[in-house]
Amino acid sequence: DSGVTQTPKHLITATGQRVTLRCSPRSGDLSVYWYQQSLDQGLQFLIQYYNGEERAKGNILERFSAQQFPDLHSELNLSSLELGDSALYFCASSVDDRGTGGANVLTFGAGSRLTVL
Amino acid sequence: AQKVTQAQTEISVVEKEDVTLDCVYETRDTTYYLFWYKQPPSGELVFLIRRNSFDEQNEISGRYSWNFQKSTSSFNFTITASQVVDSAVYFCALSLGDNYGQNFVFGPGTRLSVLP
Repeated sequence: DSGVTQTPKHLITATGQRVTLRCSPRSGDLSVYWYQQSLDQGLQFLIQYYNGEERAKGNILERFSAQQFPDLHSELNLSSLELGDSALYFCASSVDDRGTGGANVLTFGAGSRLTVL
Repeated sequence: AQKVTQAQTEISVVEKEDVTLDCVYETRDTTYYLFWYKQPPSGELVFLIRRNSFDEQNEISGRYSWNFQKSTSSFNFTITASQVVDSAVYFCALSLGDNYGQNFVFGPGTRLSVLP
C-alpha cells in the first residue's frame, strides 16, 4: 500500500456523462498530481495542486477540471465524456520539500480505470 | 524541453537471463533527476530509484543495477537473473527538480515479459 488512495477503482459510464475521481494523498504530502494513462499516449501529466492551489497544468482538456480541498484530498472532474477518455487515471503525491531542493519522489495510487461506452 | 526515450517497446526473456532496459534523456539543464518506476500487472506505479545529475556512481540493489552515463545521456537499468515477478512495464523519468508537474517527464515505457 503506497498510502495514496484513489476511488473508485473502476468506473463504467456512457458518453456525455460526468464523473468524479477522488484522491487522498499520502499523509504529510502537500502536492497532488493527476496523470492519464491510455494505451497509445503513455503517462500524460494533467494537473498539479500544491497545498490547495493549482501549481502546474499539463495536457488537461477543458472538459476536465480538478481541485484540492483544505484537507488536501483532490478530485478530478471529467465531463461530456467521450470514448477517447477511457483510460487509467492516476493520482500521485509528493512532500514537495522545496526548502531542501531536489526532485521529490512521486508516490502513485492504484489508479481509477474509466471506461466510457 | 525535456524528453525521455525508451526505444525498447517490449522485451521478452527467459527466467534467469539478464536484461537491460535502455533510457536516453534530453535536457539542457545541468541539474536534473532521473527515476525508474515499475508498473506490474496490478497497475500501480512503484518507485524504484532516483538519481541526481551530479552523482554518476552506478547503483546496485539486489538483482537490480543502474548505469548512469552523462556522456551518452543514458540511465540504463539491468535486472540480473530475471524472475517471472519482474514482468512489468518499466518507466524511466526525468525531473528538473523544481517540483513542477510539467517538468517531470516520463518515457513511453518498456514492457518486460519474463517467461518461466
